[in-house]
Amino acid sequence: DGGITQSPKYLFRKEGQNVTLSCEQNLNHDAMYWYRQDPGQGLRLIYYSQIVNDFQKGDIAEGYSVSREKKESFPLTVTSAQKNPTAFYLCASTRPRLAGGTGELFFGEGSRLTVL
Amino acid sequence: GQQVMQIPQYQHVQEGEDFTTYCNSSTTLSNIQWYKQRPGGHPVFLIQLVKSGEVKKQKRLTFQFGEAKKNSSLHITATQTTDVGTYFCAGPNRGSTLGRLYFGRGTQLTVWP
Repeated sequence: DGGITQSPKYLFRKEGQNVTLSCEQNLNHDAMYWYRQDPGQGLRLIYYSQIVNDFQKGDIAEGYSVSREKKESFPLTVTSAQKNPTAFYLCASTRPRLAGGTGELFFGEGSRLTVL
Repeated sequence: GQQVMQIPQYQHVQEGEDFTTYCNSSTTLSNIQWYKQRPGGHPVFLIQLVKSGEVKKQKRLTFQFGEAKKNSSLHITATQTTDVGTYFCAGPNRGSTLGRLYFGRGTQLTVWP
């Protein structure tokens, strides 16, 4: 079955350590996204990539980095520069846009990062 | 920047009661999407509205897009415990065709049996 796989599901790290969250999709989607979700907040865009070897900052990119070396993969690194990294991280991809609209997002199951 | 406001933030209803969540944008939207996130889960796409004044139904769910394409609503008739979750609206930024969406904060629905 096609889908988006995020790993790990839960991650604990000490303050000051970099962590990398994995996101793999086999949907053959060109565009991929990373969102951050905090309690009571909507989804805030961290980075997105519309094509291999290209990516753009979203609204809260500071303290994060990404790469897009393969169409299927879009890993997110949470660096020690991110001041409040504890959150639920969601990876998503988009298929070509619906008629007259915008592509719907397909989400992975998320990675919950806790920094101690 | 573009903002999508959603109210209420929380809604608690008795099973069988109706539920409505409202979404407002500071700018005209080309379309609006709705997602549902079950507790502990990830958002799942429900529907997209494109036309001014559009109304779409999915069983007990009714979605509306305002005439000015600046607001939208989701109405659930006769809620069930399976409706529990957070409902998000999301709209694209201007000119976007590849799904860069701005999400509302969501409405968390609790249904008491």
